[in-house]
Amino acid sequence: GAVVSQHPSRVICKSGTSVKIECRSLDFQATTMFWYRQFPKQSLMLMATSNEGSKATYEQGVEKDKFLINHASLTLSTLTVTSAHPEDSSFYICSAIPLLAGVQETQYFGPGTRLLVL
Amino acid sequence: DAKTTQPPSMDCAEGRAANLPCNHSTISGNEYVYWYRQIHSQGPQYIIHGLKNNETNEMASLIITEDRKSSTLILPHATLRDTAVYYCIVMEYGNKLVFGAGTILRVKS
Repeated sequence: GAVVSQHPSRVICKSGTSVKIECRSLDFQATTMFWYRQFPKQSLMLMATSNEGSKATYEQGVEKDKFLINHASLTLSTLTVTSAHPEDSSFYICSAIPLLAGVQETQYFGPGTRLLVL
Repeated sequence: DAKTTQPPSMDCAEGRAANLPCNHSTISGNEYVYWYRQIHSQGPQYIIHGLKNNETNEMASLIITEDRKSSTLILPHATLRDTAVYYCIVMEYGNKLVFGAGTILRVKS
């Protein structure tokens, strides 16, 4: 159980275009999902916290107008990188916390999406 | 900022136990210790977590010292597929995971 998927797994786009990445919890519902970014040979950096039905909370230094997050259902969150530039090339990873009350819950991670902006 | 300190890398012989240490001297009473690992070019994988007591599951054991200032993740019989970056994270219930640099574990045949 507790499987999280991401689509696409890999995307190459031209500079200036927008890219949408989907994160789905396949066998559980999640009110909270997280988006991370990881540059080569670095650790994961949290970008934003996505709550179903409300606006995402962005970490300091992350542009909310550039990285649009939508969490429209209990199983789907999307990250759209708008007007992507080469410096946005990175490994984007989402995670989700299962919707279970009263228990210390674990985050489960997706397999990641590798974005290359040319 | 990460609240944990881990050695940057470790080697382990295949079939042997891998013992990965983690210091978290500033941990507070309601913070849990989580362990994740990340195999190259994949998303992190949950391993185990604990609060005070030692924990064991099908993947690993977690030994937490009595003062909770440090812990050790034990992979009882390491295989080549256990080669990964292992992250020790201290997290309060419901809070964000803050990843540090982790420990690169290399399992060698």
